[in-house]
Amino acid sequence: QKEVEQDPGPLSVPEGAIVSLNCTYSNSAFQYFMWYRQYSRKGPELLMYTYSSGNKEDGRFTAQVDKSSKYISLFIRDSQPSDSATYLCAMSESGGSQGNLIFGKGTKLSVKP
Amino acid sequence: NAGVTQTPKFRVLKTGQSMTLLCAQDMNHEYMYWYRQDPGMGLRLIHYSVGEGTTAKGEVPDGYNVSRLKKQNFLLGLESAAPSQTSVYFCASRTRLAGIETQYFGPGTRLLVL
Repeated sequence: QKEVEQDPGPLSVPEGAIVSLNCTYSNSAFQYFMWYRQYSRKGPELLMYTYSSGNKEDGRFTAQVDKSSKYISLFIRDSQPSDSATYLCAMSESGGSQGNLIFGKGTKLSVKP
Repeated sequence: NAGVTQTPKFRVLKTGQSMTLLCAQDMNHEYMYWYRQDPGMGLRLIHYSVGEGTTAKGEVPDGYNVSRLKKQNFLLGLESAAPSQTSVYFCASRTRLAGIETQYFGPGTRLLVL
């Protein structure tokens, strides 16, 4: 079993829909959780980052971490065609070499006008 | 401030040829990484460096070598390219953002080995 599991999709939604993207993980030592967005033929860019459990909101995006269930989510409200991209979850234990990120395989999202 | 840059953007090699991919960052970050990204496989760590003059193996290091002679540069070498090394290669550097270690990525190098 991989340390981080992410449904690859693809996921297709109409414009304005609420999107839920999820990852599960097995390593209880993970403390830092991130979401990256990757547009086609581009490098991943950091979208959201959180520490430990709880919620974090930034505009239309909300990241949730449930450490007891080893489950993280990214919600996108009022989705737009410009949100069409692959979303990668990533997590790490701590700093030093243990700060190396473990990535999910990514979920490809398409928002249709 | 250019962030993380990679050269070249695209390259075609024949089996057995060698090449070097260059990554440069101007953010004074200590840690740097090389990943490859393949369909259905996600991002896989090839090698990384925790500072100038250091390198370490990642998940898939075979067939690659790296060097970090200067803090701002991280080079990835393929000594004898194989078709299995056809991939998109990403470089990243790491920093601490609001107390969280996170990585910034370059735009990628697309490599085709025939």
